[in-house]
Amino acid sequence: DAGITQSPRHKVTETGTPVTLRCHQTENHRYMYWYRQDPGHGLRLIHYSYGVKDTDKGEVSDGYSVSRSKTEDFLLTLESATSSQTSVYFCAISEYVGAGEAFFGQGTRLTVV
Amino acid sequence: DQQVKQNSPSLSVQEGRISILNCDYTNSMFDYFLWYKKYPAEGPTFLISISSIKDKNEDGRFTVFLNKSAKHLSLHIVPSQPGDSAVYFCAASRGGGADGLTFGKGTHLIIQP
Repeated sequence: DAGITQSPRHKVTETGTPVTLRCHQTENHRYMYWYRQDPGHGLRLIHYSYGVKDTDKGEVSDGYSVSRSKTEDFLLTLESATSSQTSVYFCAISEYVGAGEAFFGQGTRLTVV
Repeated sequence: DQQVKQNSPSLSVQEGRISILNCDYTNSMFDYFLWYKKYPAEGPTFLISISSIKDKNEDGRFTVFLNKSAKHLSLHIVPSQPGDSAVYFCAASRGGGADGLTFGKGTHLIIQP
């Protein structure tokens, strides 16, 4: 299994509070991604990174920010959590772009109450 | 607008028979296609992929077929086994693009004994 660790695995937070999810990899892969999975929507890309300090927005980036200060860590921050951000969040890593599979972490279940 | 479509939310197949999961895409820039399998409370795991220069790729019980003119791909599982019961996601990527994979909504495959 690819070395990807997401933390926390479960979190309940209140509306309006900031939340940070962490993705840590031990594979030294260049590309890292944050997806969210919701019923009826599959997996949707939030943000991605193509190197240290190099990030860009995905399909559903509103309300989220990311940071990558080290190759191994990719942080996803909800600046002010809303109920619509209740979801399961997955981090993924990829060694190559365009022609290689991505490996996923176990997911973080976030509930905003 | 969905670029990757899996029109069957669920599929029930008898153990030992063939399972066929379908996927359509609209973006002609996609040139690499993947299938992921997902069990509850776990991250998606890579199953099989195909490049747009091929029309078939086989790995054990799993075969993916690509029809570029119809923008259609399918995953065949023969013979189907109880452990194959899971949600299957079709995904696509653009060559050279660092912006990750675009996923369909998934098909829940149920293998009946």
